[in-house]
Amino acid sequence: GQNIDQPTEMTATEGAIVQINCTYQTSGFNGLFWYQQHAGEAPTFLSYNVLDGLEEKGRFSSFLSRSKGYSYLLLKELQMKDSASYLCATTHKAAGNKLTFGGGTRVLVKP
Amino acid sequence: EPEVTQTPSHQVTQMGQEVILRCVPISNHLYFYWYRQILGQKVEFLVSFYNNEISEKSEIFDDQFSVERPDGSNFTLKIRSTKLEDSAMYFCASGRTGMNTEAFFGQGTRLTVV
Repeated sequence: GQNIDQPTEMTATEGAIVQINCTYQTSGFNGLFWYQQHAGEAPTFLSYNVLDGLEEKGRFSSFLSRSKGYSYLLLKELQMKDSASYLCATTHKAAGNKLTFGGGTRVLVKP
Repeated sequence: EPEVTQTPSHQVTQMGQEVILRCVPISNHLYFYWYRQILGQKVEFLVSFYNNEISEKSEIFDDQFSVERPDGSNFTLKIRSTKLEDSAMYFCASGRTGMNTEAFFGQGTRLTVV
């Protein structure tokens, strides 16, 4: 089975850093994706981790520890436009690229 | 930049009616998906499609649902007899390969069943 947990909501100040944690129990784990979703819009791809370690992409970084079933998304130099939901999703070996999503973390960036 | 396009953006239908949601995936992609998101809830997988057949489907994707790729560009989701609980945002997605690559999502069709 698949189970993904992430906080429901976080608030941070413009210019600051926020870390969104995601824990998962996924049989046959084969990779973890982070997507951003603005209200009423489609999810857009942010990052993908399959090996342990940190992947950096501009202001966004994502970390994975397979042994701990844990990932985080780090958003640096927060901007108002970063206010959105951030979705953690896993794939597993038996299911091609089907994504199993967590409930998402709504991040509110305040001035 | 290539994108997945979906039509219509919003559809209102009466309970019991059939609806067809349409999607044009990115042209060189081979894997196609439908997901849905009930308001305020998480994105849920419905079905994946590859090589002109369903490769996996979820428990949600019962006999009322079907998918089709009638030509080289369109990918459709049909709901035969809509129920109130089918009201949701339906997202089409496509990917180049079946493993380890991101899926690109369309803007969604908001289906409201009344």
